Amino acid sequence: AQRVTQPEKLLSVFKGAPVELKCNYSYSGSPELFWYVQYSRQRLQLLLRHISRESIKGFTADLNKGETSFHLKKPFAQEEDSAMYYCALRGNQGAQKLVFGQGTRLTINP
Amino acid sequence: NAGVTQTPKFQVLKTGQSMTLQCAQDMNHEYMSWYRQDPGMGLRLIHYSVGAGITDQGEVPNGYNVSRSTTEDFPLRLLSAAPSQTSVYFCASSFGGLGSYEQYFGPGTRLTVT
Repeated sequence: AQRVTQPEKLLSVFKGAPVELKCNYSYSGSPELFWYVQYSRQRLQLLLRHISRESIKGFTADLNKGETSFHLKKPFAQEEDSAMYYCALRGNQGAQKLVFGQGTRLTINP
Repeated sequence: NAGVTQTPKFQVLKTGQSMTLQCAQDMNHEYMSWYRQDPGMGLRLIHYSVGAGITDQGEVPNGYNVSRSTTEDFPLRLLSAAPSQTSVYFCASSFGGLGSYEQYFGPGTRLTVT
């Protein structure tokens, strides 16, 4: 079974502080992991995926297969990072099907 | 490109009423899907389609029907609305190949069932 867990519903940090949004997954094969973000009054959109190993808006995420984690990190938070963040998994058999975590609402305080 | 469009944006139904949420995309995407978003539960897959004429159930299909007669459209039908179906509904689409990965989401439909 595919499962994605985001243990924090709410996360609040001060501007300039480091941010880490946790994501753990359960999948027996080789999954693809993604982070999607929903800013206020905007559509859900892709932030980054593990295969690309790139930094988007200062965020990075490393797939740790040993710990089955895909935590999202940013060294210095900015106020515009306030949003809802979803971790998502795509299995290697399910084509485009995505399984989402419960989401973490990140608030950056000035 | 309009991308993924959804109508209506808001809807209030009484228990037992039926209605159809519309979803259309103009990107020639093979894959389309419907999710519901509930607080603390994230997005859950209701139904999906890998191409015209092909649909399948997701995680929470009960109470919903879909059809895919064209590549562009993927309507979601509520057969007999229940308060438990109060939610925000999102439609998404993407190319179908394993090499593609990004799903494009619509703006959502906020449904309230009283």
